[in-house]
Amino acid sequence: DVKVTQSSRYLVKRTGEKVFLECVQDMDHENMFWYRQDPGLGLRLIYFSYDVKMKEKGDIPEGYSVSREKKERFSLILESASTNQTSMYLCASSFNTANKYNEQFFGPGTRLTVL
Amino acid sequence: AQRVTQPEKLLSVFKGAPVELKCNYSYSGSPELFWYVQYSRQRLQLLLRHISRESIKGFTADLNKGETSFHLKKPFAQEEDSAMYYCALTNNAGNMLTFGGGTRLMVKP
Repeated sequence: DVKVTQSSRYLVKRTGEKVFLECVQDMDHENMFWYRQDPGLGLRLIYFSYDVKMKEKGDIPEGYSVSREKKERFSLILESASTNQTSMYLCASSFNTANKYNEQFFGPGTRLTVL
Repeated sequence: AQRVTQPEKLLSVFKGAPVELKCNYSYSGSPELFWYVQYSRQRLQLLLRHISRESIKGFTADLNKGETSFHLKKPFAQEEDSAMYYCALTNNAGNMLTFGGGTRLMVKP
């Protein structure tokens, strides 16, 4: 059973704090993704990684950075949290093959509130 | 740039009624499309992909390249179908998904 876990379900931080969101998958997937989920906007890709130490910007990378030091772990970092980063953050993973139909498996989400 | 549009934020139907959740896309290449679903207090999961031409939980979706649509249909809605549904499109490399804004389906008893 594919398992993608996220370090926290709920997180409350103050403006200006540095925030770390952690994601771990146990299926040996090459690809890992960070999305934010907002009502009416759906899921928007922040960053994705296709290999250890490799990363690519998604649609909304501003204000975020990522780290992938180990294959199973992908971290999202908010260097200086702002109120407009209050959102649900979803991590996902998938195999990286030539198959374009690779399913992405999602974590349970972290609801971040920035005060 | 690729884009996915789901025009309805909320769709409310009675149990047993037909359901159609609309999805339109814009993409310059050959599209690969998916429907993902999120039930209450559960994680987002794949419902179906167009290439499989499968029916999952009674849902089907047909890719219409002429109308650039990939609508999700079910002939008889059930209460357990109530959920958030997202249409998604993959890029040429197949490693990134673009999601629509989502449609919340409510099936009333």
